[in-house]
Amino acid sequence: EAGVTQFPSHSVIEKGQTVTLRCDPISGHDNLYWYRRVMGKEIKFLLHFVKESKQDESGMPNNRFLAERTGGTYSTLKVQPAELEDSGVYFCASSSRTRPSGYNEQFFGPGTRLTVL
Amino acid sequence: AQSVSQHNHHVILSEAASLELGCNYSYGGTVNLFWYVQYPGQHLQLLLKYFSGDPLVKGIKGFEAEFIKSKFSFNLRKPSVQWSDTAEYFCAVKGNFNKFYFGSGTKLNVKP
Repeated sequence: EAGVTQFPSHSVIEKGQTVTLRCDPISGHDNLYWYRRVMGKEIKFLLHFVKESKQDESGMPNNRFLAERTGGTYSTLKVQPAELEDSGVYFCASSSRTRPSGYNEQFFGPGTRLTVL
Repeated sequence: AQSVSQHNHHVILSEAASLELGCNYSYGGTVNLFWYVQYPGQHLQLLLKYFSGDPLVKGIKGFEAEFIKSKFSFNLRKPSVQWSDTAEYFCAVKGNFNKFYFGSGTKLNVKP
């Protein structure tokens, strides 16, 4: 079974430019999560999709960030325009449909390292 | 508010030394706790998890963690580390809707 994949693995852009990150979850996983780690700090939750719907976007930093998951498969996270403080590693994770116990293991992708100059 | 605190940011050990990484959490609901590991160049992987029952949880690769409710702690331990344990370790608590709150990570460097 293929794991969670993310593209690109690295991106270096200038302040003010636009970048789009992509995440392909494990096939059949309804839940998709985006997290971000700013250098040396904790991995922070950004948002959660259940299929194509946003379940929780409380972690999105501001309106320069736009996440989509059309058709409930892959997801994109667009940053427009990028600022210096957006630099970090963006992780995607997916899990299967939530069980009654409320927990399904989250499987993480390798992350996209974004550098804004 | 939910949060996780990892006190050791960088740990250096020699092979065969014992390991204990500290993790304290703050969360008002039912506590589900996790340790993840990220080996160099690899994905985050689940090491172990605690949901309920025996507070001493055993994970993969000889790791274990103990949930101490009175101390709000979930420390990770391994009796004898190997060079291959060199990695970054993250403690996490599960919040609502399966959303995770992570600590800032601990980099472990095991010298051969």
